[in-house]
Amino acid sequence: NAGVTQTPKFQVLKTGQSMTLQCAQDMNHEYMSWYRQDPGMGLRLIHYSVGAGITDQGEVPNGYNVSRSTTEDFPLRLLSAAPSQTSVYFCASSSRGHTEAFFGQGTRLTVV
Amino acid sequence: GNSVTQMEGPVTLSEEAFLTINCTYTATGYPSLFWYVQYPGEGLQLLLKATKADDKGSNKGFEATYRKETTSFHLEKGSVQVSDSAVYFCALAGGTSYGKLTFGQGTILTVHP
Repeated sequence: NAGVTQTPKFQVLKTGQSMTLQCAQDMNHEYMSWYRQDPGMGLRLIHYSVGAGITDQGEVPNGYNVSRSTTEDFPLRLLSAAPSQTSVYFCASSSRGHTEAFFGQGTRLTVV
Repeated sequence: GNSVTQMEGPVTLSEEAFLTINCTYTATGYPSLFWYVQYPGEGLQLLLKATKADDKGSNKGFEATYRKETTSFHLEKGSVQVSDSAVYFCALAGGTSYGKLTFGQGTILTVHP
């Protein structure tokens, strides 16, 4: 019973590099989202998806891209990493009719 | 827009002390309210929730009551343990915004033996 799985757990990037944070869920949830966690600021929504092929921007979308080709997967892409993107990233999923979200273990990203 | 405000932290308590972490919110309509807990090095786990006014959520000895008149959802526990040391987040989801949460800034709780 894996739930929401994120990879990698840790990553160090140089400024300007690109990478993809992976997220997969095995609960057949329709809704998936990405958050970033910064000290003293709680979690802020980056991007959101209500189903395969449908995505929307959250509170802090700049510098990030997403796509959702399957129900299970929701990768987050950093096209050109910046030090301001140093953060802990969480992927979450939820099902229709239930407003609570289930979270992955997080990816700690450092951009130098 | 929606917003959540938690009490300033961190909070340090002795084992068996009473815990209150204050949470107030601003939202249109009738949001669902949540408390999530994050143990060191882990992701967020749902601790408890309430979906309508006057509902009381409870789990693991923690309780919170959805107070629409004061727009609050304060977390309480009568006797904390060292194992309760974690970061606690208050959050809301508006209407049918499934999984689209607005979080407070988090409160670090440390419990000493």
